[in-house]
Amino acid sequence: DAKTTQPTSMDCAEGRAANLPCNHSTISGNEYVYWYRQIHSQGPQYIIHGLKNNETNEMASLIITEDRKSSTLILPHATLRDTAVYYCIVRVDGLTGGGNKLTFGTGTQLKVEL
Amino acid sequence: SAVISQKPSRDICQRGTSLTIQCQVDSQVTMMFWYRQQPGQSLTLIATANQGSEATYESGFVIDKFPISRPNLTFSTLTVSNMSPEDSSIYLCSVVLGTDTQYFGPGTRLTVL
Repeated sequence: DAKTTQPTSMDCAEGRAANLPCNHSTISGNEYVYWYRQIHSQGPQYIIHGLKNNETNEMASLIITEDRKSSTLILPHATLRDTAVYYCIVRVDGLTGGGNKLTFGTGTQLKVEL
Repeated sequence: SAVISQKPSRDICQRGTSLTIQCQVDSQVTMMFWYRQQPGQSLTLIATANQGSEATYESGFVIDKFPISRPNLTFSTLTVSNMSPEDSSIYLCSVVLGTDTQYFGPGTRLTVL
């Protein structure tokens, strides 16, 4: 699976949009971009994933660049409860190969403040 | 998603003993995984546990140290054997649901003295 690069930490004011970048310049054509977050000492929580089109769900939006070498997770109105470590993971679709394994990097520590 | 529970939620154990961690899912799943998260670190995959086959271990993890059972499609156990303080970690199980997405349990926080 391709390697990802994320900033170590970011701050965001409550109520503002949090934009978390991820670089995955070596991504292959059959690799998806997944985002998880881990609130302190809890199990990781799935947020969203995509292949090449932008995706949106009730939690967040995922914007993937046209060349797919980077992506941005957007939390439209961050709250204090969004403070967590956010992981960007690139992996092959398990249905076609890769065995569904997730390789976690160090992620971005997002701190939402008043 | 699914409801995934782990028991115990936390434990403090003595060096040299073993602890078995349980993972229960409220729906039938084929693929389950066990991860370890050492203090201040990210998650590391220990093994893949599919029902009906032997667990597949990642590099650096062996069956004698981390035996896994997968007796049915809703349950799995991970045993941490002959524990040392270096085994102090959060242990997490995860399952694959729907369109290939993994969901995680709440984790078991283990402290070895």
